[in-house]
Amino acid sequence: NAGVMQNPRHLVRRRGQEARLRCSPMKGHSHVYWYRQLPEEGLKFMVYLQKENIIDESGMPKERFSAEFPKEGPSILRIQQVVRGDSAAYFCASSYASGRSPQHFGDGTRLSIL
Amino acid sequence: GQQLNQSPQSMFIQEGEDVSMNCTSSSIFNTWLWYKQEPGEGPVLLIALYKAGELTSNGRLTAQFGITRKDSFLNISASIPSDVGIYFCAGHLNQGGSEKLVFGKGTKLTVNP
Repeated sequence: NAGVMQNPRHLVRRRGQEARLRCSPMKGHSHVYWYRQLPEEGLKFMVYLQKENIIDESGMPKERFSAEFPKEGPSILRIQQVVRGDSAAYFCASSYASGRSPQHFGDGTRLSIL
Repeated sequence: GQQLNQSPQSMFIQEGEDVSMNCTSSSIFNTWLWYKQEPGEGPVLLIALYKAGELTSNGRLTAQFGITRKDSFLNISASIPSDVGIYFCAGHLNQGGSEKLVFGKGTKLTVNP
C-alpha cells in the first residue's frame, strides 16, 4: 500500500540546466498537486492536475516551469534553465477525488542549484 | 491572496505537558487540516475538519474547526519526545473547479525529555 512516491529525493543542478521531478500518486488517486517549500516556510501551491489535464496552474511561474500528468506514468514537474532561486523542496500530493478527499504528500525532492 | 496566520512560531515544552497552537485566516475555508512534518520528510495528515464547530480527536490530538470557518486550533495532550516536529495548519480551497491547500508557516515543537 505504497504512499505518494517522489524521485529523486535530492537533485543537484548547475544554473542553466533542466530539472525533472517525478511523482507517482497513491494507488487509485487521479488528482495530483505540486507545492514548493522554502526553508522555515509553509508549502506554497503551484499546480493541480488530473490525468492529462492541467486544472489550475495559478501558483506556477509563467516561464521555465511546466507540469504534466500523462495517461500512463508519473506526473512530472519540469524546470528549465534553473536559477539559484529555484532551490527549494518540491512536494507532490495526491487525492482520490476533489472536495473532501484529503491530500496525502510524498517526501519531496530537494533541489539544489549550484 | 489567502494567508493563514499560525501561532506560536515555536514552542519549547517539557515531556508530559499539554500543547496548544492555532491558526487564523481573513478568508473562509470549507475544510481545515493539520499536518506534521519531520526533517527530510513530507507533511503527514493528522486531522481533517469538515464542518464549522466540529471537534475531532485522533489519540492525544484534538482539533476544532472554528464556528466562523476562519480559524482552527490543535491541542496535543501529555506530549512525548516523538511529538517533535513542525505542525502546519492548512485551509482547503475549492473554487471554480480548482482545489488547493493554503498553508500556515508552521509551529515548531521541541519536547524536552
